[in-house]
Amino acid sequence: EAGVAQSPRYKIIEKRQSVAFWCNPISGHATLYWYQQILGQGPKLLIQFQNNGVVDDSQLPKDRFSAERLKGVDSTLKIQPAKLEDSAVYLCASSLLPNNNRGENEQFFGPGTRLTVL
Amino acid sequence: AQSVTQLDSHVSVSEGTPVLLRCNYSSSYSPSLFWYVQHPNKGLQLLLKYTSAATLVKGINGFEAEFKKSETSFHLTKPSAHMSDAAEYFCVVRGLGGGYNKLIFGAGTRLAVHP
Repeated sequence: EAGVAQSPRYKIIEKRQSVAFWCNPISGHATLYWYQQILGQGPKLLIQFQNNGVVDDSQLPKDRFSAERLKGVDSTLKIQPAKLEDSAVYLCASSLLPNNNRGENEQFFGPGTRLTVL
Repeated sequence: AQSVTQLDSHVSVSEGTPVLLRCNYSSSYSPSLFWYVQHPNKGLQLLLKYTSAATLVKGINGFEAEFKKSETSFHLTKPSAHMSDAAEYFCVVRGLGGGYNKLIFGAGTRLAVHP
């Protein structure tokens, strides 16, 4: 079974430029997540989709970050304009719909995109 | 609110010796807890999970963790370290509120294994 795919793997930009990341989840996974992992920290959830709808974007800096999942499959995360503090690894994960009343199901992670903002 | 604290940012062991990575959690309800491993340039991989069944949870690659409610701990152990165990390990609690299935990660513990 193919895993979660992300591209590009690495990106270097200057501050105030724009950048976009792409994620293709595991086939059949209705739920998709974007996480930000700053060096030396654990990943932090930015946004969660179920199919093409947003379930949680409470930690997404909406003045500069945006994300979409138009057809309920692959997704893009955009930063415009980028700041130095956006340097991080951006992880995409996917899961099946919840399988119990606690809303749980295993998340599978992609390899991430490492962004460096100069 | 739910949170986890990983008590050591770095742990160094010799190959063949036991591994102990410590994690304390804070939760107002019966939590779901996980350990994930992250090897360099690879995605996060689930090692094991606790979801209110048996308190001693066995995972992949010989790792296990014990849920201790009285101590609010979920420490990760392995009897004998292997060189391939060198990686970053994250203790994780499932959060409530907002979207379901939200994972809250600790800061991570980097495990080094020496020959």
